[in-house]
Amino acid sequence: KAGVTQTPRYLIKTRGQQVTLSCSPISGHRSVSWYQQTPGQGLQFLFEYFSETQRNKGNFPGRFSGRQFSNSRSEMNVSTLELGDSALYLCASSLRGLAGYEYEQYFGPGTRLTVT
Amino acid sequence: DQQVKQNSPSLSVQEGRISILNCDYTNSMFDYFLWYKKYPAEGPTFLISISSIKDKNEDGRFTVFLNKSAKHLSLHIVPSQPGDSAVYFCAARLYSGGGADGLTFGKGTHLIIQP
Repeated sequence: KAGVTQTPRYLIKTRGQQVTLSCSPISGHRSVSWYQQTPGQGLQFLFEYFSETQRNKGNFPGRFSGRQFSNSRSEMNVSTLELGDSALYLCASSLRGLAGYEYEQYFGPGTRLTVT
Repeated sequence: DQQVKQNSPSLSVQEGRISILNCDYTNSMFDYFLWYKKYPAEGPTFLISISSIKDKNEDGRFTVFLNKSAKHLSLHIVPSQPGDSAVYFCAARLYSGGGADGLTFGKGTHLIIQP
């Protein structure tokens, strides 16, 4: 079974621009979560999508948004990029609560975003 | 305020010995805990998990222990192998009733297995 895929793997943008990142979950997984990883803050939860609806959101400004399509693929958008948005953005998929307490998330390789 | 803490940024263990990675949490509403392993330039890989209704879960060389009263969990790796050298993240889930929230991660412990 193919794992979680993310595109692109690397991206360089200029401050003020916007960016869209893409994530394809494991086949059959309907939940997609996004995380930001930085050296200082570690892994931080951005938001989760399930059945095309945002279910949960972390503590990030409104410049960070996302969506999920009917095939469970998800995109994340960051508008008006700031230098501090430079990070590894990780996408994870899961079966989300369909088996009780089992909630393992499976991560993609990430998109490394550099803002200059 | 960091709700999940891994106080050891790094740990060095000899091959064949036991590796013990520790994690403390502050939120008593966390109901599910997971350990992930991460190699450079890759996403985290799920290792093992434990529900808050249990105190131990084993999977091969990996055992996770949960002490709810102390709000502490640990990952034991026995015996440690060179391929275990990686960064290990502890994560916790807060179940909010209507659906599970995102995972809260610790900042990781870099495990180095010495030959």
